[in-house]
Amino acid sequence: QELLVESGGGVVQPGGSLRLSCAASGFNFGGYDMQWVRQAPGKGPEWVAFIGSEQYYADSVRGRFTISRDKSRKMLYLQMNSLRSDDTAIYYCVKGLRVATMTYFDSWGQGTLVTVSS
Amino acid sequence: AIQMTQSPSSLSASVGDRVTITCRASQGIRNDLGWYQQKPGKAPRLLIYGASTLHTGVPSRFSGSGSGTDFTLTISSLQPEDFATYYCLQDSNYVWTFGQGTKVEI
Repeated sequence: QELLVESGGGVVQPGGSLRLSCAASGFNFGGYDMQWVRQAPGKGPEWVAFIGSEQYYADSVRGRFTISRDKSRKMLYLQMNSLRSDDTAIYYCVKGLRVATMTYFDSWGQGTLVTVSS
Repeated sequence: AIQMTQSPSSLSASVGDRVTITCRASQGIRNDLGWYQQKPGKAPRLLIYGASTLHTGVPSRFSGSGSGTDFTLTISSLQPEDFATYYCLQDSNYVWTFGQGTKVEI
């Protein structure tokens, strides 16, 4: 059974930093692309970052967020700096499913809430 | 970036109804489209990938069609557990975009 468990969310002031972690189990973590997807209160999901052989970022977070992974520990991370109020959201760790030319968002964690507020 | 326009934004339906949701891409995306279901307080769930392939464990009453710019998600006979919000998803050059969502209500 594939399992993704996020941690590290909380309340942070504007301009602050936070590091999210995601523990993966039940699948060959090193063999899959991984993503972070967020969802602001009452809004639809928004892709944030991707890691495979390279890393890619949404325009809204590029230069402020960094995605990384530790394959030996089966951990995915998201370092978030210079946080803004519009970064407030539930952040999901997501396993990728590569089909032909597209990677889909396959298994999802339960999410961790990040609130940016003074 | 490619824009995804999903319609309708919400619809009212009854158990047993046939429901159709559409998603239009601002430019051609071949069949690189997925459909997701999300219930309140839960993470989205992948229903369909490649525009028409049912993901593991998804009931056969769900189906997807389309290619290029116009795509459709159909629920052939709506069940009580299908009341949820549905999103389409596309990827273009490592930029993923969701549609705005369709809330299916009683």
